[in-house]
Amino acid sequence: AQSVAQPEDQVNVAEGNPLTVKCTYSVSGNPYLFWYVQYPNRGLQFLLKYITGDNLVKGSYGFEAEFNKSQTSFHLKKPSALVSDSALYFCAVRDATSGTYKYIFGTGTRLKVLA
Amino acid sequence: NAGVTQTPKFRVLKTGQSMTLLCAQDMNHEYMYWYRQDPGMGLRLIHYSVGEGTTAKGEVPDGYNVSRLKKQNFLLGLESAAPSQTSVYFCASKLTGITEAFFGQGTRLTVV
Repeated sequence: AQSVAQPEDQVNVAEGNPLTVKCTYSVSGNPYLFWYVQYPNRGLQFLLKYITGDNLVKGSYGFEAEFNKSQTSFHLKKPSALVSDSALYFCAVRDATSGTYKYIFGTGTRLKVLA
Repeated sequence: NAGVTQTPKFRVLKTGQSMTLLCAQDMNHEYMYWYRQDPGMGLRLIHYSVGEGTTAKGEVPDGYNVSRLKKQNFLLGLESAAPSQTSVYFCASKLTGITEAFFGQGTRLTVV
């Protein structure tokens, strides 16, 4: 079965420092991986995705993610954190079994950027 | 172009009452999904639809029913609400050929 794990419930980082939010996955076949962000009282917003190709993918708001097949990881990164990046981040994998295209989410990681 | 719109945004129900949550999308997406979000559990798939007139069960379907009579609408029904259904409900949709899903703003439901 497809699954994703986000091992950290919360990540704290000082403003201006680099940030990493971790995600590991388990899939059969080629993984389609996603990061979403949720701001308070809002829906999920798509940040970026990995489908194929370059292992470093760039997304919205200066975020990027590194796909590592040997470690089955897809960590979200940003070179310099902003206080406004504070939010709940979800990693997801797409399960395309039988053409159903379901999305399986991790439990989420709360990012707090401290001024 | 409103995207994915959920109605209502907030609701308080008494145990045993019924209600319907409406999800409407104006992007002509074939795929639609209902998720619930609970603290520490992320998002869990309740039901989904791969096209008009079709629905299927997700990970946590018990206590919910759905209908997709029109392509743009996906309804989630609670026939007899229970406190365990207190949650934030999110609808999402996806277009064939596009890999990512788009989410609505959520419905916060409290069952007392």
